[in-house]
Amino acid sequence: DGGITQSPKYLFRKEGQNVTLSCEQNLNHDAMYWYRQDPGQGLRLIYYSQIVNDFQKGDIAEGYSVSREKKESFPLTVTSAQKNPTAFYLCASSTRTGGAGQPQHFGDGTRLSIL
Amino acid sequence: GQQVMQIPQYQHVQEGEDFTTYCNSSTTLSNIQWYKQRPGGHPVFLIQLVKSGEVKKQKRLTFQFGEAKKNSSLHITATQTTDVGTYFCAGGETSYDKVIFGPGTSLSVIP
Repeated sequence: DGGITQSPKYLFRKEGQNVTLSCEQNLNHDAMYWYRQDPGQGLRLIYYSQIVNDFQKGDIAEGYSVSREKKESFPLTVTSAQKNPTAFYLCASSTRTGGAGQPQHFGDGTRLSIL
Repeated sequence: GQQVMQIPQYQHVQEGEDFTTYCNSSTTLSNIQWYKQRPGGHPVFLIQLVKSGEVKKQKRLTFQFGEAKKNSSLHITATQTTDVGTYFCAGGETSYDKVIFGPGTSLSVIP
């Protein structure tokens, strides 16, 4: 079955540590996105990528970094510069056929907590 | 920049009552999407509307896109406990290569 796989499901970060969240899709989608969701809140866009080897900052990119070396993969690194990383992180993907802003398919998410 | 707002933020209804959430954009949209997120889950795409004045139905759910393509609504008839969750609208613009999500409406259904 096609879909988006995020790992790990739960992650704990120590002070001063960088951690990387994995996102893999086999939907053959060109576009991929990372969102942060805090309890009871909406989705805030961290980074997005419309094509391999290219990505753009979203609304809250500070303290995060990404790479897009393969179409299927879009890992997110939460750096030590992100002082409040505890949140639910969601990865999504979409086609670009038919123009921009196509419906997004989401992974199950990673819950990150700080120790 | 583009903003997408939703009201109400929370809604508590008795099972069997109707429910409506409204979505408004500060700019004209090329499309509007609706997603549902169950508690503890991830957003799931429900539907996309692209035409001015478009109305689509999915069983008890009715989706509308405004004539000016700046607002939308989701109406649920005779709510059930399975409808519990947060409903997000997301607006797409031709000039943007992403969609802008609204803050969501959280629906609770009292059995």
